[in-house]
Amino acid sequence: DVKVTQSSRYLVKRTGEKVFLECVQDMDHENMFWYRQDPGLGLRLIYFSYDVKMKEKGDIPEGYSVSREKKERFSLILESASTNQTSMYLCASSSELGTSGESTDTQYFGPGTRLTVL
Amino acid sequence: QKEVEQDPGPLSVPEGAIVSLNCTYSNSAFQYFMWYRQYSRKGPELLMYTYSSGNKEDGRFTAQVDKSSKYISLFIRDSQPSDSATYLCAMDETGGFKTIFGAGTRLFVKA
Repeated sequence: DVKVTQSSRYLVKRTGEKVFLECVQDMDHENMFWYRQDPGLGLRLIYFSYDVKMKEKGDIPEGYSVSREKKERFSLILESASTNQTSMYLCASSSELGTSGESTDTQYFGPGTRLTVL
Repeated sequence: QKEVEQDPGPLSVPEGAIVSLNCTYSNSAFQYFMWYRQYSRKGPELLMYTYSSGNKEDGRFTAQVDKSSKYISLFIRDSQPSDSATYLCAMDETGGFKTIFGAGTRLFVKA
């Protein structure tokens, strides 16, 4: 069964702290993603990675960095946490859907980490 | 204007009702259309996936895509209390790296 796990379900940090969010997938997927989810805004892509040590900025990378040292693990780092980074953080990994010519990647999501920055 | 618009609800229906959930979009290059279901305190899970226009049926669920109107729908027949969740539409041009998600519609099915 497909499994994406995230290191914490709930996290409370103080402004200025460095925060690490860990994500592990056991499906041997090449692609991994970090999103944040806020009411009324939906899921917004922060960073994604299509291979080990490779990363690409998403729509809202400011204030975040990522690390992918191993295929199964993708970490999100908040260098100096701020209150506007209070959110639900979702990790996903993807595999291919459908047959050639109609294929795209479907994303499997972890349970999320609810981060509160005080 | 957002690329994908979705009414956040909440939508409350009695058990057994037919539910219609909808999204509109502005990017005519989208070719892949997905519906995800997200239960409270869980991550989204893929429910339906459609390539280009047309209908797709899976049990009680039917996904419709009308590319000419830039409009997609998810129908749930014989709705059950276990269908209570947030439903997110999602769209992609190709490759799966820049999937755009709607904000999600909260659905409550009352027993």
